[in-house]
Amino acid sequence: GEDVEQSLFLSVREGDSSVINCTYTDSSSTYLYWYKQEPGAGLQLLTYIFSNMDMKQDQRLTVLLNKKDKHLSLRIADTQTGDSAIYFCAEKILAGNTPLVFGKGTRLSVIA
Amino acid sequence: DTGVSQNPRHKITKRGQNVTFRCDPISEHNRLYWYRQTLGQGPEFLTYFQNEAQLEKSRLLSDRFSAERPKGSFSTLEIQRTEQGDSAMYLCASNTGDDTQYFGPGTRLTVL
Repeated sequence: GEDVEQSLFLSVREGDSSVINCTYTDSSSTYLYWYKQEPGAGLQLLTYIFSNMDMKQDQRLTVLLNKKDKHLSLRIADTQTGDSAIYFCAEKILAGNTPLVFGKGTRLSVIA
Repeated sequence: DTGVSQNPRHKITKRGQNVTFRCDPISEHNRLYWYRQTLGQGPEFLTYFQNEAQLEKSRLLSDRFSAERPKGSFSTLEIQRTEQGDSAMYLCASNTGDDTQYFGPGTRLTVL
């Protein structure tokens, strides 16, 4: 079945690194995504990784994928107060137009 | 390219009334998705279209929910006889042949 789990809260100090973790259950996931949602807003795509990769880096963001353990993480380097938001992990089970399955989101609070 | 747009951004209605939301996808995107997000949860898939064809609607929450995309461009989501449990953020997303879905800002529905 489809299930995506995330821890609900994370608090870090400005300038530190943040690591947000996600686990998923379906081994046939093709793409895994990280979206950011600020209060009252829609979802902003941050980055995604294809299931045959184990790492992807994009500026301050690093995504690590451990397919054996079905574990995905998002590392934000030099976290800023503007990074405070809810971060959603999402998986896509099959290629094509299947819907995304989202976790409940991790609320990141950055303390100045 | 102005991104996915949704109107209205906020809707307050009384229980029992009908409401309709509109989504305008990114102009070259032929695929359009509707999701619902309740407080403290991740988005939950409702339905999607490829051009004007509705290819998946089994996840619509009840027969009070319906969606259309008559000309393969914008889409509408209608909820008839609204209930307090329908209060949520309704999100629209679009894409083309790649697998990345781009989300709009959402319509927040409050049913009194």
